[in-house]
Amino acid sequence: GAVVSQHPSRVICKSGTSVKIECRSLDFQATTMFWYRQFPKQSLMLMATSNEGSKATYEQGVEKDKFLINHASLTLSTLTVTSAHPEDSSFYICSAREVGGVTQHFGDGTRLSIL
Amino acid sequence: DQQVKQNSPSLSVQEGRISILNCDYTNSMFDYFLWYKKYPAEGPTFLISISSIKDKNEDGRFTVFLNKSAKHLSLHIVPSQPGDSAVYFCAASDDYKLSFGAGTTVTVRA
Repeated sequence: GAVVSQHPSRVICKSGTSVKIECRSLDFQATTMFWYRQFPKQSLMLMATSNEGSKATYEQGVEKDKFLINHASLTLSTLTVTSAHPEDSSFYICSAREVGGVTQHFGDGTRLSIL
Repeated sequence: DQQVKQNSPSLSVQEGRISILNCDYTNSMFDYFLWYKKYPAEGPTFLISISSIKDKNEDGRFTVFLNKSAKHLSLHIVPSQPGDSAVYFCAASDDYKLSFGAGTTVTVRA
């Protein structure tokens, strides 16, 4: 149980392109989903908390106009990297937390490469 | 400011022996702690957790110990198996957010 699906797993695109990443909880409902970014050999850094039916909460230093988050249902959150540039290249991972739970279950991540 | 620290970036252990991974934290408000395992190109997989009201939790080959006064937790894997080779992340929860350590890469030698 507690499976989180993240799509796509890898994206390579030109600078200036907007990229959408989907995160779905397959067998449970998640009122809260989280988006992380991981640089090589570093920890997972929380970017934002996605709340179903309301605006996302962004961590300090994360541009909300750059990283658009939508949590339209209890099983789906999307992250759109707008006008991506090479410095946005990274590994992006989403997680979902079951209603009433603490444990977060993670997707397999998206490797984003901006040329 | 890193609130969760894993000071050993790597650990090599013989198959069948015990692996001990350490984690320190600074925020006394953390009340729930988790360990995740991560393979390359995959997302972290939940392994085991412990509430701050406990000092030990065991699940099969995995045991997590919590020392609140020292703000320290550890993960014991015994016996270690080749499939345990992965990156292990320690995480701590304050309300609903998780703060992660930088990870420890475990290599189990045959």
